[in-house]
Amino acid sequence: ETGVTQSPTHLIKTRGQQVTLRCSSQSGHNTVSWYQQALGQGPQFIFQYYREEENGRGNFPPRFSGLQFPNYSSELNVNALELDDSALYLCASSFSGRAWNEQFFGPGTRLTVL
Amino acid sequence: KNQVEQSPQSLIILEGKNCTLQCNYTVSPFSNLRWYKQDTGRGPVSLTIMTFSENTKSNGRYTATLDADTKQSSLHITASQLSDSASYICVVRGNAGNMLTFGGGTRLMVKP
Repeated sequence: ETGVTQSPTHLIKTRGQQVTLRCSSQSGHNTVSWYQQALGQGPQFIFQYYREEENGRGNFPPRFSGLQFPNYSSELNVNALELDDSALYLCASSFSGRAWNEQFFGPGTRLTVL
Repeated sequence: KNQVEQSPQSLIILEGKNCTLQCNYTVSPFSNLRWYKQDTGRGPVSLTIMTFSENTKSNGRYTATLDADTKQSSLHITASQLSDSASYICVVRGNAGNMLTFGGGTRLMVKP
């Protein structure tokens, strides 16, 4: 059983650029959630995808968008990058059918916006 | 508004000592509460899960408590080790939807 993987590990962009982060969910999981974690803070929920559709969103602007693919992997896209977008972006996968479904987190992508 | 507050924000203890981390939440209706350990630069890893009817749950040297009436939880670490140095995050799931509310975490440093 493979765990959650994310790519790239680190990324440096400049303000105004666009970025795509990728996540492969754990085997058997059909739900992917994305989180933004600023340095020294807890993760903030961005959105969640289930069966290729967004089924929940946190307080993030529309320039944060995502996709989920038939194999349940996912992408997070951020347009018009701002300095405050610098953070660790975490992806977590889970199986929605379980009542206490634990989310398994990937190692994260560290994004730096200059 | 659903909120999870953790205290202290940071803590330094000597190896071998015990410590207790606190979590207060306002998430309602409540489903479950998890404590996660997050090593620097890594994703969080679940330590324990507490449901409404559970008061105490242990996982090795980690013991979590839950008081659903006062909406408080604690994580007690016994005989701390250098490898316990990490951020500990309290996460609460509500019954409405599938969303989680994260606390800001407590950064624990265990010194030799």
